[in-house]
Amino acid sequence: AQSVTQLGSHVSVSEGALVLLRCNYSSSVPPYLFWYVQYPNQGLQLLLKYTTGATLVKGINGFEAEFKKSETSFHLTKPSAHMSDAAEYFCAVSASSGSARQLTFGSGTQLTVLP
Amino acid sequence: GAGVSQSPSNKVTEKGKDVELRCDPISGHTALYWYRQSLGQGLEFLIYFQGNSAPDKSGLPSDRFSAERTGGSVSTLTIQRTQQEDSAVYLCAGSSGGSSYEQYFGPGTRLTVT
Repeated sequence: AQSVTQLGSHVSVSEGALVLLRCNYSSSVPPYLFWYVQYPNQGLQLLLKYTTGATLVKGINGFEAEFKKSETSFHLTKPSAHMSDAAEYFCAVSASSGSARQLTFGSGTQLTVLP
Repeated sequence: GAGVSQSPSNKVTEKGKDVELRCDPISGHTALYWYRQSLGQGLEFLIYFQGNSAPDKSGLPSDRFSAERTGGSVSTLTIQRTQQEDSAVYLCAGSSGGSSYEQYFGPGTRLTVT
């Protein structure tokens, strides 16, 4: 079984400031980890993923995340926020083995970027 | 098409009516998932299809919910005798399998039960 905790349902940053969105997971098997972004009235868009290999993964739009097994974390960062980054962000986990690969999502973090 | 499509984009129905929601996945995506997104429950897994295998229905909230996938492509989610708590956005996602299992989502169907 898997679960995801996203700390902070709302995060506000100034344009140009560091973005840090926190995600901790629980998984009984080695996890695959994902970050998705959702803009208003749209579906989910994949930002980045961790499966195996390098623990620092880079995604689209300048985002990156680091898988830290010892901390069971997969925090999302971006060095400099842009107004267009305002959206809701979801961390998700799936099992890395077995046939069922459904995603278990966190509750989401709404990012506001202030001018 | 280039992405996952879902129809209708919005559906308003009266309590007690049946509704059908459609998903057209990306060609070649053998795995198909349905999720529900609601204010109270967040994003929840509903059902999973993989090729010709029996679907994983473990996320369906009640026997009023069912889904089928014809010819390994189009999928239909059916909700019978709709209730107000069924109001949500229903999202479909596809995956090609392989080593990463990343899922590509459609825009969703917003269901409102009045």
